[in-house]
Amino acid sequence: NAGVMQNPRHLVRRRGQEARLRCSPMKGHSHVYWYRQLPEEGLKFMVYLQKENIIDESGMPKERFSAEFPKEGPSILRIQQVVRGDSAAYFCASSRGQETQYFGPGTRLLVL
Amino acid sequence: DQQVKQNSPSLSVQEGRISILNCDYTNSMFDYFLWYKKYPAEGPTFLISISSIKDKNEDGRFTVFLNKSAKHLSLHIVPSQPGDSAVYFCAAISSGNTGKLIFGQGTTLQVKP
Repeated sequence: NAGVMQNPRHLVRRRGQEARLRCSPMKGHSHVYWYRQLPEEGLKFMVYLQKENIIDESGMPKERFSAEFPKEGPSILRIQQVVRGDSAAYFCASSRGQETQYFGPGTRLLVL
Repeated sequence: DQQVKQNSPSLSVQEGRISILNCDYTNSMFDYFLWYKKYPAEGPTFLISISSIKDKNEDGRFTVFLNKSAKHLSLHIVPSQPGDSAVYFCAAISSGNTGKLIFGQGTTLQVKP
């Protein structure tokens, strides 16, 4: 009974490159959330998706960030032209409905 | 605009004693609260939750208390064990919203043997 899976666990990018973070929700979960944790801070909501739909992207930076949750395959958080300030831990969570969210192990992005 | 606050960055208790972690919130629309535990380099693990229609929820060594009038909740761990040493996050949801979690900054608990 696999939990939420995220890959890669660690990602190093140089400034200006693209970062792609993947999240596979728990079996039977159709709701996916992305959160970001900057150093010494709590988790901040970024985006909430259901299959093929973005429900709430109020926490997403207006530029360079995008997310999708296609009908088949994992959810993808994409960061274009990364900058040093994007260095953080990115966590994905999933839920069956709007109830308890279960988190993946996170992807730690380091921008050099 | 910190809607969920954990004012104690850290807490140290002796093994076997009670750990009390506190959380305050400002948004009266929050109606569901959760506590997560997080070890370094791992994702948050769900511990316990409480609906705003209740004032207490218990699960083994963990009890969460909610005081709606004070907009305050607390997590009690008794007896505390060294394996409980971790960062604890309080989170809140407004069901009228999209279900996104609003997190506090976290409290680092150290349980000394």
